[in-house]
Amino acid sequence: DIQLTQSPSFLSASVGDRVTITCRASQDISSYLAWYQQKPGKAPNLLIYLASSLQSGVPSRFSGGGSGTEFTLTISSLQPEDFAAYYCQQLNSYPYTFGQGTRLEIK
Amino acid sequence: QVQLVQSGAEVKKPGASVKVSCKASGFSFSDYAMHWVRQAPGQRLEWMGWISAGIPYAKYSQNFQDRVTITRDTSGSTAYMELSGLKSEDTAVYYCARGYYNSGGHYFFDYWGQGTLVTVSS
Repeated sequence: DIQLTQSPSFLSASVGDRVTITCRASQDISSYLAWYQQKPGKAPNLLIYLASSLQSGVPSRFSGGGSGTEFTLTISSLQPEDFAAYYCQQLNSYPYTFGQGTRLEIK
Repeated sequence: QVQLVQSGAEVKKPGASVKVSCKASGFSFSDYAMHWVRQAPGQRLEWMGWISAGIPYAKYSQNFQDRVTITRDTSGSTAYMELSGLKSEDTAVYYCARGYYNSGGHYFFDYWGQGTLVTVSS
């Protein structure tokens, strides 16, 4: 199975900050990576697919990058509604694994 | 609008089976793949398997060692996930999700059900 490791696992930041979350894959997954946001008690919400494509309806302050084994999710200016957990997912090969998550908290 | 509505919470004893349903509306159900993902308390999301659009083809994660079966009823726009041989470690929230794919592969899960809590306890 392809392992995905996110860093950091916890991130404390303030409204207006720029933050970047990294996702590293244990082997080359090309650009088959998606990012999701999950709020407590809710289902995940798709933010980014194919590493850098913004899902329709997602604010442009979210952006993704990378290919191969290293990927990033950047939020350019944090808004109050962005404080949540974030997960990366690889869809290159079965099973479609997820990272352990990054919890973004208000400083 | 696209909606995936799942069946309600379940409490099961070890060794039993559970079947969770996911009713779709707002899109052509027969044109999309359906995936199942679970999340144990405080744990990461775990992909369980998927079923294709059109002529049903299912693929499962080997991590479930033949305990999971995913089916779909196109006439009723409903997908199902059945997990057998339940253990306490199967206590989790189970989600269905609509998947976008083509000949190039799978790309993302763009709509998710609200989740179904399955509790396994003696």
